[in-house]
Amino acid sequence: QVTLKESGPVLVKPTETLTLTCTVSGFSLSSTWFGVSWIRQPPGRALEWLAHISSIDERSYSTSLKSRLTISKDTSKSQVVLTMTNMDPMDTATYYCARVRLDYRDWFDIWGQGTLVTVSS
Amino acid sequence: DIQMTQSPSSLSASVGDRVTITCRASQDIRNDLGWYQQKPGKAPKRLIYAASSLPGEVPSRFSGSWSGTEFTLTISSLQPEDFATYYCLQHNTFPPTFGQGTKVEIK
Repeated sequence: QVTLKESGPVLVKPTETLTLTCTVSGFSLSSTWFGVSWIRQPPGRALEWLAHISSIDERSYSTSLKSRLTISKDTSKSQVVLTMTNMDPMDTATYYCARVRLDYRDWFDIWGQGTLVTVSS
Repeated sequence: DIQMTQSPSSLSASVGDRVTITCRASQDIRNDLGWYQQKPGKAPKRLIYAASSLPGEVPSRFSGSWSGTEFTLTISSLQPEDFATYYCLQHNTFPPTFGQGTKVEIK
C-alpha cells in the first residue's frame, strides 16, 4: 500500500522558517518512475503547487516562492523535506505532499492527508 | 507560467444530471492534464490522468476529453457522493499549475 504522510509544526511565528517532512511508504524515492511534490491550500482557496523533487534529485520550484523554498530528500529514510523561510500569515495553509508517477504521466496519484500550518505571533 | 482557466467556478445540479467542467490552457500542453476531486476537509483525489485515462478505482461515470487546449471533465450521471470541488492540473511545463476549481453543489 502506497502512503505519504506529512509532519511538522502546527504553528509558526512570522519570519520563522517552516520545515515539513513527507514520509513515504510503498514505493522508493530512488525509483526512476517516482517523484514527490509539495502543494498547499490556504483556507477556502485553490490548490497551489510549491516544489518538486525527482528520483535523480532534480528540483523545481514555484516561480513566486522560489527564493523562499528548498526541497530535499533522504532516500534511506524515505523522506522528502520542504523548508520555507520568512513565514508570513499569508502562508497559513494546509500543506500536502503527493506522488508523481512518471511512467504513466500520472501526477499526484497519491496524496498525503495534509497538515495545517498556521502562521501567527 | 501556463494559466489554466477553469469554468464554471460553481454549479448547482441534481442527482442524475450530466455535468461538464472545462479547463482551458494558455498554451499547448498536449494531454498532460489531470483532474482531481476534493471533499471538504479531505485531501484531493486523482480522478483522471493524461487527460482521458481513468484509473480502475474511479467510477466509469467520470470521463475526460480534450481538443486542442480545451479539456473537459464529464460526470455522466451525478451521484450524491460527487458533490465536491474539482480541479484540473497541467504538468506539461514547470511549474505545474492548477485551475481555480469548480464547486459542484446540490440543486
